[in-house]
Amino acid sequence: GAVVSQHPSRVICKSGTSVKIECRSLDFQATTMFWYRQFPKQSLMLMATSNEGSKATYEQGVEKDKFLINHASLTLSTLTVTSAHPEDSSFYICSALGLGAEAFFGQGTRLTVV
Amino acid sequence: GENVEQHPSTLSVQEGDSAVIKCTYSDSASNYFPWYKQELGKRPQLIIDIRSNVGEKKDQRIAVTLNKTAKHFSLHITETQPEDSAVYFCAASIRVSSGGGADGLTFGKGTHLIIQP
Repeated sequence: GAVVSQHPSRVICKSGTSVKIECRSLDFQATTMFWYRQFPKQSLMLMATSNEGSKATYEQGVEKDKFLINHASLTLSTLTVTSAHPEDSSFYICSALGLGAEAFFGQGTRLTVV
Repeated sequence: GENVEQHPSTLSVQEGDSAVIKCTYSDSASNYFPWYKQELGKRPQLIIDIRSNVGEKKDQRIAVTLNKTAKHFSLHITETQPEDSAVYFCAASIRVSSGGGADGLTFGKGTHLIIQP
């Protein structure tokens, strides 16, 4: 199947700083990517839909100024958590749509804000 | 928006027995229903999916059934093995035909499947 690579896999940052997470489709072009957040022992919650060349669409309750999404190319979407706080600590996972409409997931990023 | 309910939250079965996980969805426009297996700290892995124009799909020990009228779909695992132990998520979304757009997935809350040796 298609490969989606997410980087970094783990990051620890101080409160108030920003963290950028990259999501790359390695062997296919993805016009649409999705960002999810998963708290421990909970399900994945869709945060936003990232479309190449246009603004991201955010789900209700997700602050677009806090979670900045950029999808500048057909193989790369980035999520920047700005002014991070401990409550932002979570597992962030991206996915990209393949041609068959199957969603391929990145390996996730474990963010810890101290 | 879409709402997906998943039951049970925990399921313990004896090795070799069958396991069934059930989900319901609310949005009649949803037409794509994947099932994912997730091991601790890892990415979800697609194990099987079904589209709304099909009522049942099978892949070796895994099968999925869909009842569009009742808006529910189920995952069936037969001859369970220890390596089947994991958290399983159902999901629903709207998928346009190949090359078209798509909504993000709405996930159920997950089922922790435990296979007892």
